[in-house]
Amino acid sequence: EAGVAQSPRYKIIEKRQSVAFWCNPISGHATLYWYQQILGQGPKLLIQFQNNGVVDDSQLPKDRFSAERLKGVDSTLKIQPAKLEDSAVYLCASSFGGLAKETQYFGPGTRLLVL
Amino acid sequence: DQQVKQNSPSLSVQEGRISILNCDYTNSMFDYFLWYKKYPAEGPTFLISISSIKDKNEDGRFTVFLNKSAKHLSLHIVPSQPGDSAVYFCAANPTQTGANNLFFGTGTRLTVIP
Repeated sequence: EAGVAQSPRYKIIEKRQSVAFWCNPISGHATLYWYQQILGQGPKLLIQFQNNGVVDDSQLPKDRFSAERLKGVDSTLKIQPAKLEDSAVYLCASSFGGLAKETQYFGPGTRLLVL
Repeated sequence: DQQVKQNSPSLSVQEGRISILNCDYTNSMFDYFLWYKKYPAEGPTFLISISSIKDKNEDGRFTVFLNKSAKHLSLHIVPSQPGDSAVYFCAANPTQTGANNLFFGTGTRLTVIP
């Protein structure tokens, strides 16, 4: 079974530029999560989708971050404009139904460096 | 506000000995706890979990202990193997919310010395 796929794996941009990350969850998984992991910290949830609806985006900086999952399968996370403090690894995860205690499966992440 | 804390950034253990990784939490609403393991350039992978109704859960070489009164959990790996060298994240979930929200600690890098 294929795991969670993410692209690109690495991205370097200058501040004030825009960037987009793509995630394809495990086939059949209804719930998709985006996490931000800043160096030296644990992953922090940015947004959670159930199919194509948003369950929780309370930690998403909505003035510059946006995410969508239009067809309930793959998802895109965008940052516009990027700031230096957005340098981090962006992890995508998926779970079967989104119920509490379901295992979340993580992709390899996209490492973003903002100069 | 870090609700899940792993105060030891790193730990080195000899192969064959026990590794003990610690985690503390502050939010009383957390009732489900997990450990994830992360190798370089890979995403975290689920290792073991424990519900707050239990104080111990064992899976092969891995055992998680939960002390609710102290808001403390630990992961024991015995015997430790070089392949266990990785970063270990503790995570907590307030399952009464109905959602699957994980709050992660900052991680402990375990090095098992052959």
